[in-house]
Amino acid sequence: DQQVKQNSPSLSVQEGRISILNCDYTNSMFDYFLWYKKYPAEGPTFLISISSIKDKNEDGRFTVFLNKSAKHLSLHIVPSQPGDSAVYFCAASEVSSYDKVIFGPGTSLSVIP
Amino acid sequence: DTGVSQNPRHKITKRGQNVTFRCDPISEHNRLYWYRQTLGQGPEFLTYFQNEAQLEKSRLLSDRFSAERPKGSFSTLEIQRTEQGDSAMYLCASSEGTASLGGYTFGSGTRLTVV
Repeated sequence: DQQVKQNSPSLSVQEGRISILNCDYTNSMFDYFLWYKKYPAEGPTFLISISSIKDKNEDGRFTVFLNKSAKHLSLHIVPSQPGDSAVYFCAASEVSSYDKVIFGPGTSLSVIP
Repeated sequence: DTGVSQNPRHKITKRGQNVTFRCDPISEHNRLYWYRQTLGQGPEFLTYFQNEAQLEKSRLLSDRFSAERPKGSFSTLEIQRTEQGDSAMYLCASSEGTASLGGYTFGSGTRLTVV
């Protein structure tokens, strides 16, 4: 049973517009959430994270929103750039096991020039 | 420091053969992780080490899989009697402290193909 879900396998966005990537989770014990970006032939790269005590975290063009009651988080990229084209993984961990990070299946983002 | 290094990058083996992968983490990182990724899926946790101690193993890590991290430096992942279902990308990652505080640093992976 997949504990971290990314229901959109792919997303296309025009350059300069907002990209919104969504993630849902089922495990109510998750309390730390991360986003990773992956280019072909490379390992995933840490992008941004959020603790369950917050509902928003921002880092430059990237903002993550967390809605604990809905068990939903989203990553906003504004403005989107062609270099943002990659696979984005949502991930989460429990307070009892911070070192075991559970990843979703990923969303492939294409930013069209 | 060149980041997390994994060797080999690609490995093709015949079913039933044993294979071993190596991971060299970032030198000051005391935690090391192994993940497996198959097509269309996210990385799946296999095991992790804090220094030389293996602290957690996933049920995905069958008896044919063994991981070591002698002296708390590099790590090896061995798969015995490989099966076609073992074909995947094997990713190694390291972190200085608890992974969640700053995320992992991943290597580029070893792609295993079992024929």
